[in-house]
Amino acid sequence: AQKVTQTQTSISVVEKTTVTMDCVYETRDSSYFLFWYKQTASGEIVFLIRQDSYKKENATVGHYSLNFQKPKSSIGLIITATQIEDSAVYFCAMRLDSNYQLIWGSGTKLIIKP
Amino acid sequence: GALVYQYPRRTICKSGTSMRMECQAVGFQATSVAWYRQSPQKTFELIALSTVNSAIKYEQNFTQEKFPISHPNLSFSSMTVLNAYLEDRGLYLCGARGQGNSDYTFGSGTRLLVI
Repeated sequence: AQKVTQTQTSISVVEKTTVTMDCVYETRDSSYFLFWYKQTASGEIVFLIRQDSYKKENATVGHYSLNFQKPKSSIGLIITATQIEDSAVYFCAMRLDSNYQLIWGSGTKLIIKP
Repeated sequence: GALVYQYPRRTICKSGTSMRMECQAVGFQATSVAWYRQSPQKTFELIALSTVNSAIKYEQNFTQEKFPISHPNLSFSSMTVLNAYLEDRGLYLCGARGQGNSDYTFGSGTRLLVI
């Protein structure tokens, strides 16, 4: 069975620092895609970054980067130089190559303090 | 770019009544539309996956009788919550994707309050 787990329910950091959010996944498929989204206060879902399972290089987009550790089935999200507006709930999700259904983690609430 | 508009953004309905939400894809052809529900303090549960010219596939805890979905063309889908009760409250999210290896683009969600 496929599963995505985010154990951190809430993280609070001071702005301009770096934060890492954890995510582990379970699948027997050899080809899959991993995503991070953020949910704003209004509920809107914003795509942040994606990692393809066959790529060894960690994906990077702006101040978001991933720590992909395939042997550990882990895909951590790293946000550098955090800003107040990064405060949101962050979701990790997985999609198998064999179907297009997204499997979501439970989310991590990030609070950025001034 | 690919955009998905979802409306209404927020709605309140009386217990036992029904409400309809709509999802519009702009800038791409929405071959597949997935409807999710996020109940309070929970993650996203897939309600159903609709693919044009195929039967709509509902997940285990959701039925067509309760959440009828229409996906008449490549730019539009709607879902109705029939006979809504307190446990149906939450954020309903529509995600659409085109053909090939494209990913889902999400709407801004419809927040349903049931009173």
